[in-house]
Amino acid sequence: NAGVMQNPRHLVRRRGQEARLRCSPMKGHSHVYWYRQLPEEGLKFMVYLQKENIIDESGMPKERFSAEFPKEGPSILRIQQVVRGDSAAYFCASSPRRQSNTGELFFGEGSRLTVL
Amino acid sequence: GENVEQHPSTLSVQEGDSAVIKCTYSDSASNYFPWYKQELGKRPQLIIDIRSNVGEKKDQRIAVTLNKTAKHFSLHITETQPEDSAVYFCAASKGNQFYFGTGTSLTVIP
Repeated sequence: NAGVMQNPRHLVRRRGQEARLRCSPMKGHSHVYWYRQLPEEGLKFMVYLQKENIIDESGMPKERFSAEFPKEGPSILRIQQVVRGDSAAYFCASSPRRQSNTGELFFGEGSRLTVL
Repeated sequence: GENVEQHPSTLSVQEGDSAVIKCTYSDSASNYFPWYKQELGKRPQLIIDIRSNVGEKKDQRIAVTLNKTAKHFSLHITETQPEDSAVYFCAASKGNQFYFGTGTSLTVIP
């Protein structure tokens, strides 16, 4: 069972370009989370999705950022018109569908975005 | 929403000594408290977790304690080794939401 797969691992963009980060959750997992991590800082929640639904996007900047988790295919975090402040590691995590108590979050290796 | 605070932000210990990291949370409905270890450039990985119906859990050199009344939980690492050097994150969870602390950078000095 492959773990959470993220790609690309490293992405370089110039200011004003678009960045697309992909995340394939672990097999059987229907919950996907995106976190942003700035150098030497913690994990900042961005968005929580289930298949075809955004459950909580309270951590997502109102402009330029969007996320989706389609019925088929990976979850995508999209950043339009990137700025230098978007440079960070973006981690995706997944967890299985559960009826009651929460379970473990499994993280991907992260996508490191550098904006020139 | 939930607010998780974590202290200290950095911690240095001599090899063989113990390390303690503390977290507090604000939402009494949180019922699951995992701890993640992140080595430099790597993904965060779960090292131990505790649920609200348990006060303490131990796994070899690692232990976690939970005080629901005070809304705080702690990670204890005994007999620290250089490979324990990493950033440690606590989290509080309810339902399917996870809220992370700001991390503790632990350095174990050989």
